Formats: sequence, C-alpha cells, structure tokens
Amino acid sequence: AQSVSQHNHHVILSEAASLELGCNYSYGGTVNLFWYVQYPGQHLQLLLKYFSGDPLVKGIKGFEAEFIKSKFSFNLRKPSVQWSDTAEYFCAVNNNRDDKIIFGKGTRLHILP
Amino acid sequence: EADIYQTPRYLVIGTGKKITLECSQTMGHDKMYWYQQDPGMELHLIHYSYGVNSTEKGDLSSESTVSRIRTEHFPLTLESARPSHTSQYLCASSESSAARTEAFFGQGTRLTVV
Repeated sequence: AQSVSQHNHHVILSEAASLELGCNYSYGGTVNLFWYVQYPGQHLQLLLKYFSGDPLVKGIKGFEAEFIKSKFSFNLRKPSVQWSDTAEYFCAVNNNRDDKIIFGKGTRLHILP
Repeated sequence: EADIYQTPRYLVIGTGKKITLECSQTMGHDKMYWYQQDPGMELHLIHYSYGVNSTEKGDLSSESTVSRIRTEHFPLTLESARPSHTSQYLCASSESSAARTEAFFGQGTRLTVV
C-alpha cells in the first residue's frame, strides 16, 4: 500500500525566511503528486501538482516543488514566506492503478509577522 | 472555484441517531471520495467511488456507508452515531484518471456526537 510521510508537523518561521517542507512517498510505480494547502477556516485547495515532465513544478503564490524519483520525494519550497502563508500543508499521492489519493499527516506552518 | 458542496457544515447530534452527510458536485466528475480528518491529523480515505453504482472502502475502516445513485451525489450515512464518530468529514471529487487531474474538496462537515 502506498503511504505519504511529512517530516515536519509544525514549522514556525519569520517573514522572508525560506521554506522547505519534506514529503516522501512509498510506491514503486507511476505516481501523481500534489501539495494542498488549507488556510484557517477554508477548504483544501491545490497548491501544485506533478504528473510528468519537468520535475520542478511551480504552483500558486510563489511555491514550487521538486520531484526526485530516486529519493521518492516531493519537497515543497518557497524562497521567502509571508505572514499570509500561515496554513496547513498536505502532501498527497495517487497512482494510476487504483486512483486513491493518499494524504500525509500535514504540516502546520506558522509565519511570525 | 470548485463546485462541490457539503451540508451541513456543522452537526451536533446525540448518540444512536442516524445521520446522513450530503455531498454534491456540479462538475460532472466521475470519481468522488470521503475523507475523515481529526484535528491536527492526516486525512484518512474512508470511501471512494469511480462512478454511478460504484463504491469502495478506503484505507481506514469506517462504520459509515455511502451510495452513488447519481453522478453528482455521494452521501455518507451513519446508522447509529457514536462519540467515536466525532470528526471532520471531507468530500472530494476528480475527473477520470485519463485526465489525471487533482481532487477538489468541499468545505467539510464537522460532526460532534454527544
């Protein structure tokens, strides 16, 4: 069974700091990878996704993620965070075999103004 | 903006009651999902559907049941609610795998069983 691990459960940064959130998955076949964000009081929204092609994908609000197949990783990055980035971030994966979308435990990001 | 709706947003109900959480989407998506999320915890897939008359159990065992009689509607039912069912329930939908699209989520239903 596939699974997703997010290494940081709670991250606190100051504004303008750089961000990297780790995500590793376990599945040997072809996967599709996602990062979702949940702002306080709002529903889950897609931040970015990777299906194929360039392993460096760019999403909304200056976020990007890099797919490293050899490491089974899909880390999320942002060079300079803002207070408005305070939210919970979820890494997710699905495979082309059974189409289930499996989520990690999430990382709660708190940006200090 | 995703067109997927869940009702009610909040529900407080007594033990033993039967409840149905509604989920509807107007995007014509074939696949729909139910996730359960406790505060600060991961989303656990409890049910999914590939289309009309298709329902599958997810990775987390759940006493709830689902039905998919219409493409746009994927209700979740608890025959007898218990305090252990207290959680947030999130519904999502996506296109078929050929399109390889992401899932769109509803606002969620926060259920409290007292």
